[in-house]
Amino acid sequence: GAVVSQHPSRVICKSGTSVKIECRSLDFQATTMFWYRQFPKKSLMLMATSNEGSKATYEQGVEKDKFLINHASLTLSTLTVTSAHPEDSSFYICSARTPDRGGSNQPQHFGDGTRLSIL
Amino acid sequence: QKEVEQDPGPLSVPEGAIVSLNCTYSNSAFQYFMWYRQYSRKGPELLMYTYSSGNKEDGRFTAQVDKSSKYISLFIRDSQPSDSATYLCATGTGGGNKLTFGTGTQLKVEL
Repeated sequence: GAVVSQHPSRVICKSGTSVKIECRSLDFQATTMFWYRQFPKKSLMLMATSNEGSKATYEQGVEKDKFLINHASLTLSTLTVTSAHPEDSSFYICSARTPDRGGSNQPQHFGDGTRLSIL
Repeated sequence: QKEVEQDPGPLSVPEGAIVSLNCTYSNSAFQYFMWYRQYSRKGPELLMYTYSSGNKEDGRFTAQVDKSSKYISLFIRDSQPSDSATYLCATGTGGGNKLTFGTGTQLKVEL
């Protein structure tokens, strides 16, 4: 259980292109999803918290207009990197929390990431 | 000072060894503790999750939390080459709030 699917796994595109990444919770409903960015040999950096049906909450220093997040349903959140440039090249990972049970907070489960390369 | 400190390694051990991975944290509001395993070019996989001091065991893995000293550990018994990965500790305050991750420890189990 608690499977999170992320698509695509790899994107190579030209500078100026907009890229959309999908994150789906396959066997549970996720009211909250998270988007992370990871640089080589570095830890995960939280970019934004996405709540179903409302605007995403962005971390300090993350450009809202650059990284558009949509969480239109309980099983799908999307991250769109608009007008991508080489400095946006990175490993982007989403996660989703399973619903809390009996007052117990549940952990985040991660997708397999999307490796984005902007030429 | 980072909120969660973790030795990045790399840590190299022979097959069958007991591995000890550790993190310290500074925020006493952290109540939830997780260990994730991340293989190269993959997303983190949840290994252990606990919210109380003490030990939690799952197969070859034991997670240990000491809230009084703000210290968390992951022990791997009978380590295997397939355990070679980066191990990330993570903590959170709960209530759906964000997680704070350590930098990860790269582990290599050699034949």
